Amino acid sequence: AQTVTQSQPEMSVQEAETVTLSCTYDTSESDYYLFWYKQPPSRQMILVIRQEAYKQQNATENRFSVNFQKAAKSFSLKISDSQLGDAAMYFCAYRRTNFGNEKLTFGTGTRLTIIP
Amino acid sequence: KAGVTQTPRYLIKTRGQQVTLSCSPISGHRSVSWYQQTPGQGLQFLFEYFSETQRNKGNFPGRFSGRQFSNSRSEMNVSTLELGDSALYLCASSLVKGYDYNEQFFGPGTRLTVL
Repeated sequence: AQTVTQSQPEMSVQEAETVTLSCTYDTSESDYYLFWYKQPPSRQMILVIRQEAYKQQNATENRFSVNFQKAAKSFSLKISDSQLGDAAMYFCAYRRTNFGNEKLTFGTGTRLTIIP
Repeated sequence: KAGVTQTPRYLIKTRGQQVTLSCSPISGHRSVSWYQQTPGQGLQFLFEYFSETQRNKGNFPGRFSGRQFSNSRSEMNVSTLELGDSALYLCASSLVKGYDYNEQFFGPGTRLTVL
């Protein structure tokens, strides 16, 4: 079974600074997706960024980028120029790529606080 | 385009009762997945429905069941409620068109409290 581990229950960062959230996972599959989801307080979960395991290039979405280390099974999220709106729970998630499998396996989450 | 909607948003039940939660996916989306979110267990996959068929199931007791209708709307039912069933129940929908990646979109959740 696949597992996802987030070892940082809470993180804080000064506004405009950079923060990195950590995630490790375990799988025997060679192809899969990895995601970072954001869940703001009392608001819907939204997708921040996606990485396909077969791609060596790290995904980037504006201020959000990942460091994907396949051999180490590590998938960290870097948030640059942190903004107050980035405050949320962040979940790392894994999904197999086979058709017909929409199941996401989530980590326990990291609560990110932005300090003004 | 309207997002994923879930009803009701909040629900209070007592132990032993049963409850039905509803999820309306984004128009055109054919897959609906359900997740349970609790402080202790985190986000756990319950089941996924596609074209009215359950395709995947998580590790939950048989008290948890679901179904999907021809318009892709989905319901989940929990019978004989226990205190531990108190949670935020999230549903997510995706297009599932071909073999390409399809993003899952989450609803706001139903907050179930069991007293």
